[in-house]
Amino acid sequence: AIQMTQSPSSLSASVGDRVTITCRASQGIRNALDWYQQKPGKAPNLLIYAASSLQSGVPSRFSGSGSGTDFSLTISSLQPEDFASYYCLQHDNYPYTFGQGTNLEIK
Amino acid sequence: EVQLVESGGGLVQPGGSLRLSCAASGFTFSDHYMDWVRQAPGKGLEWVGRIRDKRSTYTTEYAASVNGRFIISRDDSKNSLYLQMNSLKSEDTAVYYCARDRWGEGVFDDWGQGTLVTVSS
Repeated sequence: AIQMTQSPSSLSASVGDRVTITCRASQGIRNALDWYQQKPGKAPNLLIYAASSLQSGVPSRFSGSGSGTDFSLTISSLQPEDFASYYCLQHDNYPYTFGQGTNLEIK
Repeated sequence: EVQLVESGGGLVQPGGSLRLSCAASGFTFSDHYMDWVRQAPGKGLEWVGRIRDKRSTYTTEYAASVNGRFIISRDDSKNSLYLQMNSLKSEDTAVYYCARDRWGEGVFDDWGQGTLVTVSS
């Protein structure tokens, strides 16, 4: 199975900060990588698909990049509603695998 | 509006069985691959498996951790997805989400609210 190594596992930041979360795949996955946001007690919500495409309705401060094995999610200017957990998901090969998650907290 | 509503969760003893359901509405259910994803308490997300559509002869894929114990099925006439869980273990304790695959490529654009399964004696 492809392993997705996500970092950092936790991150403290302030409103207005620029933050970047990374995911590294154990083998090349082309651009078959999505990013999800999850708030406590809620289902995940799709932010970015195909590594860099913004899901409809998602604010433009979210962006994704990467291909092959290295990917990143960037939030350009943190807003209060962005404090949540974030997960990457590879869907190039079965079994699909998520990263371990990043818990983004308010500093 | 797309809606996915899971049901059937609860407390079950180790070795027992449970069947989860996911009722879909607001879209053409039969056109979409559907997946199950779970999340153990305080832990990250884990993909459980998927079922393809009729055109792909309803074939399935599973995570290694559930392969041979869990069975995913669907009834397009009832717009419903199912997860039959057998030989349950304590490590299967989790919130189980059903998710719609938008294009059959593993992009989950809609999710249910989840149903909690607790495996304990």
